[in-house]
Amino acid sequence: AQSVTQLDSQVPVFEEAPVELRCNYSSSVSVYLFWYVQYPNQGLQLLLKYLSGSTLVESINGFEAEFNKSQTSFHLRKPSVHISDTAEYFCAVSNFGNEKLTFGTGTRLTIIP
Amino acid sequence: EPEVTQTPSHQVTQMGQEVILRCVPISNHLYFYWYRQILGQKVEFLVSFYNNEISEKSEIFDDQFSVERPDGSNFTLKIRSTKLEDSAMYFCASSQGPQYFGPGTRLTVL
Repeated sequence: AQSVTQLDSQVPVFEEAPVELRCNYSSSVSVYLFWYVQYPNQGLQLLLKYLSGSTLVESINGFEAEFNKSQTSFHLRKPSVHISDTAEYFCAVSNFGNEKLTFGTGTRLTIIP
Repeated sequence: EPEVTQTPSHQVTQMGQEVILRCVPISNHLYFYWYRQILGQKVEFLVSFYNNEISEKSEIFDDQFSVERPDGSNFTLKIRSTKLEDSAMYFCASSQGPQYFGPGTRLTVL
């Protein structure tokens, strides 16, 4: 069985400040890792993914996440946040391609002007 | 850019009634999924579907639930006799690699 822990349910951050959203996982086998974002009243959008290769992955809107196997973590970071980043962020894991996703409980990112 | 679509966006039903939630996956995807998110809780896996059969289902997916791909484009989730606790947002996803989600159907059972 696998699980995902997002310890921070809410993270308030001032606009243009950096942010880190934490994600830890547990699994007995190799995993694929994902971050999904849910903007208010919308569905889940794939933000970025780690499948293999470089442990640092980046999205087109400035977010990045680093896979750390020894710490079983996949934290999401952005050096400077904007109002438009206000959303709920979900970390998810799957064991193999095309298998079910196991989600964390989500972190609500609130940007303070 | 291709996307997953779901209808209706909001469904209100009486307890005990049957509902069908519809999804149109991305056209070249072969793997299909249903998830649900009860208000304030995390997204939970219900069922995965490949090659016209269920490949995996969770303990939530009991006999009141069924899935079908009635034609080459639609993927449906049927709840036979709805309960109050079925009220949730239901997401369809499809994949040929990473999973892409639809906007969801909010089901309210009264």
